[in-house]
Amino acid sequence: GAGVSQSPRYKVAKRGQDVALRCDPISGHVSLFWYQQALGQGPEFLTYFQNEAQLDKSGLPSDRFFAERPEGSVSTLKIQRTQQEDSAVYLCASSPLNEQFSNQPQHFGDGTRLSIL
Amino acid sequence: AQSVAQPEDQVNVAEGNPLTVKCTYSVSGNPYLFWYVQYPNRGLQFLLKYITGDNLVKGSYGFEAEFNKSQTSFHLKKPSALVSDSALYFCAVRDPGSARQLTFGSGTQLTVLP
Repeated sequence: GAGVSQSPRYKVAKRGQDVALRCDPISGHVSLFWYQQALGQGPEFLTYFQNEAQLDKSGLPSDRFFAERPEGSVSTLKIQRTQQEDSAVYLCASSPLNEQFSNQPQHFGDGTRLSIL
Repeated sequence: AQSVAQPEDQVNVAEGNPLTVKCTYSVSGNPYLFWYVQYPNRGLQFLLKYITGDNLVKGSYGFEAEFNKSQTSFHLKKPSALVSDSALYFCAVRDPGSARQLTFGSGTQLTVLP
């Protein structure tokens, strides 16, 4: 597609349920990022993929958060045993090159708004 | 470590007046700096970036920003504001020598009054 696509746009889950959020980056983009944006805040880094390799997961807040990108394109962010503090907008971004050498801007999807009841 | 500060939560300007949205940063090396805009229920849209070279950077929709190394600032500017510029603006920094990800400020809500 023309841009980064995220689904679902909105997700409501009960506390304790597992959720899966999908990101379809721009075709051919090497780098893929997940960010968490709390209400009224800027995005905060969660994890980074270079193709299928997860090179940085230092921002994941707990071991309940898991991300994968098995074929180097689509990525899924999974949250197990959701809690109310997980409520946020989850943004995915991609960029064309290996981020170590890239000064290119990241292209963001519209995000998934997750609400935990 | 890299960090960004946007000291103003809210900026109001009249349509046709110049606007400035402030940003200061902290990195150990030479920074890559970015401005993004976010409209309600949408992702972030790239406006402009500073990587190296000319301190005055021009971007989309008539926006520009000036990199000031001595003041560690990267303020966003536009000579004549439009009502349609009303949105949430984020400054972001990356230290290419030590980080892959962007670090964002907390955002500034810009309101342009007709």
